[in-house]
Amino acid sequence: AQSVSQHNHHVILSEAASLELGCNYSYGGTVNLFWYVQYPGQHLQLLLKYFSGDPLVKGIKGFEAEFIKSKFSFNLRKPSVQWSDTAEYFCAVNAHESGAGSYQLTFGKGTKLSVIP
Amino acid sequence: GAGVSQSPRYKVAKRGQDVALRCDPISGHVSLFWYQQALGQGPEFLTYFQNEAQLDKSGLPSDRFFAERPEGSVSTLKIQRTQQEDSAVYLCASSLSRSHYGYTFGSGTRLTVV
Repeated sequence: AQSVSQHNHHVILSEAASLELGCNYSYGGTVNLFWYVQYPGQHLQLLLKYFSGDPLVKGIKGFEAEFIKSKFSFNLRKPSVQWSDTAEYFCAVNAHESGAGSYQLTFGKGTKLSVIP
Repeated sequence: GAGVSQSPRYKVAKRGQDVALRCDPISGHVSLFWYQQALGQGPEFLTYFQNEAQLDKSGLPSDRFFAERPEGSVSTLKIQRTQQEDSAVYLCASSLSRSHYGYTFGSGTRLTVV
């Protein structure tokens, strides 16, 4: 079974600082990778996803993530954070195998980001 | 509707009480998923429906948990004889197909068992 590790539980940054949130997964096969964001009081929203092709994926609101297959990693980055980026961020993986179970998402525990104005 | 609607938003249940949580998916969405999110954890898969068929219930933690989607639209997650460890946010998501290309989550129901 696959698992997802997010290295940081809580990250505190000042506005304009650069952000990198770590995500590692354990699964030897082909995977689809996702980052979701949950703003305070709101539902989970898809930030970006990787299925195949260019390992550098650009998402909404200036976020990007890089898939490094050799490191089983899919780290989220943003060059300059804003106060409005304060939220919880979840990395998720879907094992790309045929048959039952391929639609399930396995989530990490999440990283809470607090941006100080 | 425009999004996935879940009700109630909050539910407090006494231990041993039965609860029913409702999910109204986006109209026309074939696939419906239930996830459980305990405090400080990421969401964990519970069950999956394709139309009215429950194709996977492998994530349901015990036989006290039961989900249905009788007409292929609204779904209900029922928990019988609630226990304190059932306290969590229960998330519903729907998508047009079984893939992840259009997975939309609802805001969840926060269940607290006292």
